[in-house]
Amino acid sequence: SAVISQKPSRDICQRGTSLTIQCQVDSQVTMMFWYRQQPGQSLTLIATANQGSEATYESGFVIDKFPISRPNLTFSTLTVSNMSPEDSSIYLCSVETETEAFFGQGTRLTVV
Amino acid sequence: GNSVTQMEGPVTLSEEAFLTINCTYTATGYPSLFWYVQYPGEGLQLLLKATKADDKGSNKGFEATYRKETTSFHLEKGSVQVSDSAVYFCALGSYGSARQLTFGSGTQLTVLP
Repeated sequence: SAVISQKPSRDICQRGTSLTIQCQVDSQVTMMFWYRQQPGQSLTLIATANQGSEATYESGFVIDKFPISRPNLTFSTLTVSNMSPEDSSIYLCSVETETEAFFGQGTRLTVV
Repeated sequence: GNSVTQMEGPVTLSEEAFLTINCTYTATGYPSLFWYVQYPGEGLQLLLKATKADDKGSNKGFEATYRKETTSFHLEKGSVQVSDSAVYFCALGSYGSARQLTFGSGTQLTVLP
């Protein structure tokens, strides 16, 4: 199993600013995943973060808007840059074993 | 590509009622199937899973059977409780694993006392 600590749990930010979300795992993992959950919708994968290489972004997501760091095998950050109200969502980090995916508790972001 | 179609909500039931949340999928190969639950203010937790056809996943009174012939993985519970109020997500993992999950749209369940 894996325990994931994510912070902040929530934040209210001004448009045009940036927020960095941190994700700490209690064991070493090769890949970490960042998801977005827009209000009333399902989870959408933003990117996959591998240690020692650039993150791989899904269609519709770009590095300039969502830069990701992965300095070691237990930690990753996601930055939401130049925020607008449309970025108001829950952001979750995740790690996967062969049989199960584990999620952080999420960061509820509101952009005003 | 893979996709998951989930019964739309919200669903409102009285305590002790029977619950069914429908989930069908489209996938190549032999995926694993999952139900995740998201309680208010929390992240997603795995509720149950099935890794091959005819497997039945079960946990906390919830059950779902992997039906390859109907490409379905419907979630059921015989008697819901107020504490079951949450959002339920059906998900599919590629190649029989939990990797590269594809999620359904989620179903909000509210159980009234």
